[in-house]
Amino acid sequence: KAGVTQTPRYLIKTRGQQVTLSCSPISGHRSVSWYQQTPGQGLQFLFEYFSETQRNKGNFPGRFSGRQFSNSRSEMNVSTLELGDSALYLCASSLENSGVSTQYFGPGTRLTVL
Amino acid sequence: GESVGLHLPTLSVQEGDNSIINCAYSNSASDYFIWYKQESGKGPQFIIDIRSNMDKRQGQRVTVLLNKTVKHLSLQIAATQPGDSAVYFCAENGNKLVFGAGTILRVKS
Repeated sequence: KAGVTQTPRYLIKTRGQQVTLSCSPISGHRSVSWYQQTPGQGLQFLFEYFSETQRNKGNFPGRFSGRQFSNSRSEMNVSTLELGDSALYLCASSLENSGVSTQYFGPGTRLTVL
Repeated sequence: GESVGLHLPTLSVQEGDNSIINCAYSNSASDYFIWYKQESGKGPQFIIDIRSNMDKRQGQRVTVLLNKTVKHLSLQIAATQPGDSAVYFCAENGNKLVFGAGTILRVKS
């Protein structure tokens, strides 16, 4: 069974731009969560989607948003990029909601904001 | 201003020795705990999990111990190999997954 895939793997943007990252979960998984990983803050939870509904959200500004499609694929969007948004963005999928089933991570998208 | 990065603890072990990585969690209501391994350039990889109704769970070469009294989790790796070198994260799950800062494991050959 294919794992979680994320596209693109690497991205370079400039301040003020916006970016959309994509995540395809493991087949059959209905929950997708997004995380930001930086050397300074570690792994931080952004949000979780389950059956196209956002069921949980971390402490990030409204510039960070996401959505999930009927096939469970998910996208996250960051608008008005800031230098501090440079990070590895990780997507994880699980069979049911993350509170009861294991999350499996993709390889991440490395975003660099110049 | 200048940001202060996380200073991850480092555990250095000799190849073939056993490794013990420790983690303190914060939420006494968390009922599900997971250990992940992250190699350079990759996403975290699931190693083993444990639910709060257990205090020990064994996998292949790995054992997780849970002490709910002191909110402590540990990962034991038997016969550590060079391929075990990575950053190890514990995660606790109340209503969302919260990760610890991580521990760097270095295996010396």
